[in-house]
Amino acid sequence: KAGVTQTPRYLIKTRGQQVTLSCSPISGHRSVSWYQQTPGQGLQFLFEYFSETQRNKGNFPGRFSGRQFSNSRSEMNVSTLELGDSALYLCASSLGLGPLGNTIYFGEGSWLTVV
Amino acid sequence: AQSVTQLGSHVSVSEGALVLLRCNYSSSVPPYLFWYVQYPNQGLQLLLKYTSAATLVKGINGFEAEFKKSETSFHLTKPSAHMSDAAEYFCAVSSTKAAGNKLTFGGGTRVLVKP
Repeated sequence: KAGVTQTPRYLIKTRGQQVTLSCSPISGHRSVSWYQQTPGQGLQFLFEYFSETQRNKGNFPGRFSGRQFSNSRSEMNVSTLELGDSALYLCASSLGLGPLGNTIYFGEGSWLTVV
Repeated sequence: AQSVTQLGSHVSVSEGALVLLRCNYSSSVPPYLFWYVQYPNQGLQLLLKYTSAATLVKGINGFEAEFKKSETSFHLTKPSAHMSDAAEYFCAVSSTKAAGNKLTFGGGTRVLVKP
């Protein structure tokens, strides 16, 4: 059974550009969450989707957006990139909501470098 | 609001020695608690989780953690360290009130295992 797949794994962008990252959850999983990981701020929650609806949003500016498609695949977009957006972006999927009887699986992440 | 504090950003242990990683949480409602491990250039892998059943939780790879409400702690232990335990470990909390999968992570503890 394939795990959470994130593409691309590595990318370099220039300040001011925009970027789209993709996440394919484990087959059958309907919940997808996104996290940003940086050395300074650690792991921070970006947003969470379930059945194409955003259920939760972290404390990030509006330049960060996401969506989920009917097949549960998700994308996140960052517009007008800043140097501080350089980070590892992690996607996580789970079958349902809440930790009871439900395990959250993480992908290997997309490394974004903004120059 | 919830938060997690991990005491010690780096821990060095000898192979065969006890591994003890400290985690204290703050939550206005009974929490769900988790430990994740991250190996270099990989995503997060769940070690174990506390969901208000037994206070002593056993996880994978010989790790276990004990939930102590009076101390608001969820420390992770392993009796005998192995070289393969070298990684970064994250404690996380989620709310029993919200139905989503949002996790709030601690700053992480990097474990170095000396031969």
